[in-house]
Amino acid sequence: QKEVEQNSGPLSVPEGAIASLNCTYSDRGSQSFFWYRQYSGKSPELIMSIYSNGDKEDGRFTAQLNKASQYVSLLIRDSQPSDSATYLCAVNIATTSGTYKYIFGTGTRLKVLA
Amino acid sequence: GAGVSQSPRYKVAKRGQDVALRCDPISGHVSLFWYQQALGQGPEFLTYFQNEAQLDKSGLPSDRFFAERPEGSVSTLKIQRTQQEDSAVYLCATPGVDTGELFFGEGSRLTVL
Repeated sequence: QKEVEQNSGPLSVPEGAIASLNCTYSDRGSQSFFWYRQYSGKSPELIMSIYSNGDKEDGRFTAQLNKASQYVSLLIRDSQPSDSATYLCAVNIATTSGTYKYIFGTGTRLKVLA
Repeated sequence: GAGVSQSPRYKVAKRGQDVALRCDPISGHVSLFWYQQALGQGPEFLTYFQNEAQLDKSGLPSDRFFAERPEGSVSTLKIQRTQQEDSAVYLCATPGVDTGELFFGEGSRLTVL
C-alpha cells in the first residue's frame, strides 16, 4: 500500500461545476496535509493546508480532512478552464530517525471543459 | 517558488556523465528537501537537510546520488555516471517557518541521452 493514494484521472468536469479530488493516506500519526496544483512543465504550487478535522475554505477551494478515515479531499467550486492541472496531495510524516518528510501522491489530472 | 532558486533549469547529459544541480534558498531556511519527479508521477523524497547536516538520505536511489549543503545554505545534488532512468525533474523545497507548508523552487529538468 502506498503511503498517499490518489486516483490518477483524468477527472473531467464542465465549466462551472464542482470538482472533487480525493486522497487517502496510511500513516495514522500524520498531522499536516497539503494540496498542490501543478501545471504542465511547472513546479508544484501550494493551494491549501489543513491540520484539523473538518472543512477549511479559501475562495473557491475547500479542503476536507477526516483523520479517522485517513481521508483528505479538495473541492473546487465554479471550476474554470484555468483550473485544469494536476492536483497533488501531500502528507507530512514523522520518520523513524526523528526527522520528518513530505510524502506525495501521484496526483489527479483535472480537466475543466469549456 | 518564492524563496528557492534552482540552476540549471534544464540539463542534457550523455549517459555516463556526472551532473551537479544547485539549490539556493533565501537565507534563514534551516530545513531543505530534495525531491525527484518523474514524468506523470508525484514528487519522490530524496534527502533532507537541517542546516548543514544531512539527516535523512533514505530516498537517494543509489550510491551514484550525493547531496551536500556544506555551509547550511546552498545545496548541491550530484549524480555520477548518469543513466537514462535518472531523467526527471529535480525539485528543491523549503518549509515555511510557522506553517510547515513546503515551497518548491522551479526545478531542474535533467534529460539523460
